Amino acid sequence: GQSLEQPSEVTAVEGAIVQINCTYQTSGFYGLSWYQQHDGGAPTFLSYNALDGLEETGRFSSFLSRSDSYGYLLLQELQMKDSASYFCAVSENSGYALNFGKGTSLLVTP
Amino acid sequence: KAGVTQTPRYLIKTRGQQVTLSCSPISGHRSVSWYQQTPGQGLQFLFEYFSETQRNKGNFPGRFSGRQFSNSRSEMNVSTLELGDSALYLCASSLGGGPGETQYFGPGTRLLVL
Repeated sequence: GQSLEQPSEVTAVEGAIVQINCTYQTSGFYGLSWYQQHDGGAPTFLSYNALDGLEETGRFSSFLSRSDSYGYLLLQELQMKDSASYFCAVSENSGYALNFGKGTSLLVTP
Repeated sequence: KAGVTQTPRYLIKTRGQQVTLSCSPISGHRSVSWYQQTPGQGLQFLFEYFSETQRNKGNFPGRFSGRQFSNSRSEMNVSTLELGDSALYLCASSLGGGPGETQYFGPGTRLLVL
């Protein structure tokens, strides 16, 4: 079985930095992914970490610690358009299953 | 390149009926995964297909089934619908479905069971 925990809601101010944490319990862990979903839209891929450390893609960075079963998504220079739900997801079960957390709703305020 | 398409986009059914949803992956993608999204449970994995074979199945009752055709298009079927089956059903495609591969999601089919 698996479980992922992430905060349900986060609020931050435009231009600020926000970190969304994700802890997981799973068997056969392959890696941790992050997806963004705007209201009424489809989830879109942001990042994937298979190894410990930080991956940076523009304003977004993602971190993984396999020993702590923990990862986070870091969003810098927040913009209003970053208001969305963010999901962490683990690849497990031979890697062909992607299991998602319940998502974090991020609200960026002026 | 066209994205993932799902039909129909909206569907209203009554309890006890069955429903079939369709997903056409991005051209060249051979892996198709299905997810159920509800406000309370988030995104839940249903099953994944590759080359017409189901490789993984989530924790859903047998009323939920799927299949994949030789052109990688996939369908999922829900029989004996229950009120709790009301949800957004999303499919996603990727090249091979392996860990770390980007999954590209379709717009979803919103199912309402009355």
